[in-house]
Amino acid sequence: GAGVSQSPSNKVTEKGKDVELRCDPISGHTALYWYRQSLGQGLEFLIYFQGNSAPDKSGLPSDRFSAERTGGSVSTLTIQRTQQEDSAVYLCASSFFQLAGGYNEQFFGPGTRLTVL
Amino acid sequence: QKEVEQNSGPLSVPEGAIASLNCTYSDRGSQSFFWYRQYSGKSPELIMSIYSNGDKEDGRFTAQLNKASQYVSLLIRDSQPSDSATYLCAIDNYGQNFVFGPGTRLSVLP
Repeated sequence: GAGVSQSPSNKVTEKGKDVELRCDPISGHTALYWYRQSLGQGLEFLIYFQGNSAPDKSGLPSDRFSAERTGGSVSTLTIQRTQQEDSAVYLCASSFFQLAGGYNEQFFGPGTRLTVL
Repeated sequence: QKEVEQNSGPLSVPEGAIASLNCTYSDRGSQSFFWYRQYSGKSPELIMSIYSNGDKEDGRFTAQLNKASQYVSLLIRDSQPSDSATYLCAIDNYGQNFVFGPGTRLSVLP
């Protein structure tokens, strides 16, 4: 079965440009997470979706960051007016977790490496 | 704010030895505990999950959970150089703010 996929795998952009990062979760997974990992650092939580809703957006670093999920499946993370400090690997994970219960075993995609020049 | 703490390492063990990785957490309401392995330049890979106090074994890996003391550990028996990676502890409270620890870097020396 297919795992979590992310595109593009690499993205180089110029400061001030907007970028869109895409995540395709494992089929049937209801929960979807976005994380950011800077070089040599730990995972930084960005946002969590349950279906198409985002109960927790607390990790988004600024209003330049937004995310949406449609059809309970694909999610897009958009960064507007990119800055050099946005350079990192952006990771997506999905799980079967539902608010009514269940275990939150998250499976990660390969990530998108974003470089802002 | 929930916290998950791990020794950053590096933890160096000789090949064939037991590697012991530890994680402590602050939220007593935490219900689910996970260990992920992350090779350099790769994304995290789930290797163990544990939900009840005690030990859970899977091959060379054993996860140990003690909710009263708020720690979870991972033992790797017969460590191999291919086990060299960063190990991330993660905790969850019914989906309320899934939190990763900073990770422990393990180096298994041939």
